[in-house]
Amino acid sequence: DTEVTQTPKHLVMGMTNKKSLKCEQHMGHRAMYWYKQKAKKPPELMFVYSYEKLSINESVPSRFSPECPNSSLLNLHLHALQPEDSALYLCASSQTGTALRGQYFGPGTRLTVT
Amino acid sequence: TQLLEQSPQFLSIQEGENLTVYCNSSSVFSSLQWYRQEPGEGPVLLVTVVTGGEVKKLKRLTFQFGDARKDSSLHITAAQPGDTGLYLCAGATGNQFYFGTGTSLTVIP
Repeated sequence: DTEVTQTPKHLVMGMTNKKSLKCEQHMGHRAMYWYKQKAKKPPELMFVYSYEKLSINESVPSRFSPECPNSSLLNLHLHALQPEDSALYLCASSQTGTALRGQYFGPGTRLTVT
Repeated sequence: TQLLEQSPQFLSIQEGENLTVYCNSSSVFSSLQWYRQEPGEGPVLLVTVVTGGEVKKLKRLTFQFGDARKDSSLHITAAQPGDTGLYLCAGATGNQFYFGTGTSLTVIP
């Protein structure tokens, strides 16, 4: 099973809402990632969890809060977002935090902030 | 600073043509990967290369890692409409992982 699943597929939220994005993998990978992607641009790294510990936080605003409940699950909690946060949010996993053998991506959550 | 530069940025070709996408850097990478992403979906890993000079083939796609492990190329033979998408190279070094700037390919039937 090389699948990374993400829910929901689409999300529309107002600037005062609180919502969460969920990601799950069952490949035994020990690193998981959150990316933000704008149209036809490369993904921008937000957070990296390695062995369930936050190892990289790329200066992301505090309105984005990651959580890794266990080695298979990754959440991204959203609060008081801005319209410019509208984007495709991608979750990925890799065997280890060095991603030498590549990353496996989920289908993404299309987020629209109104 | 963008470590990995891809060229061209956009490419529109007719079905049946050949094309090459380049991924260049001044940095050395332990491994380099290529991904294809279709609209509204996540990137899909196509190949990983780890040895300088390595060549890998995946049906009509040929991937090459430069001898110095600083650059890579993706060659597609007889492009088909199903090849349309965003092609991304990505390099791994140490505990860092960098995506290239991306190449948007459109194959016209």
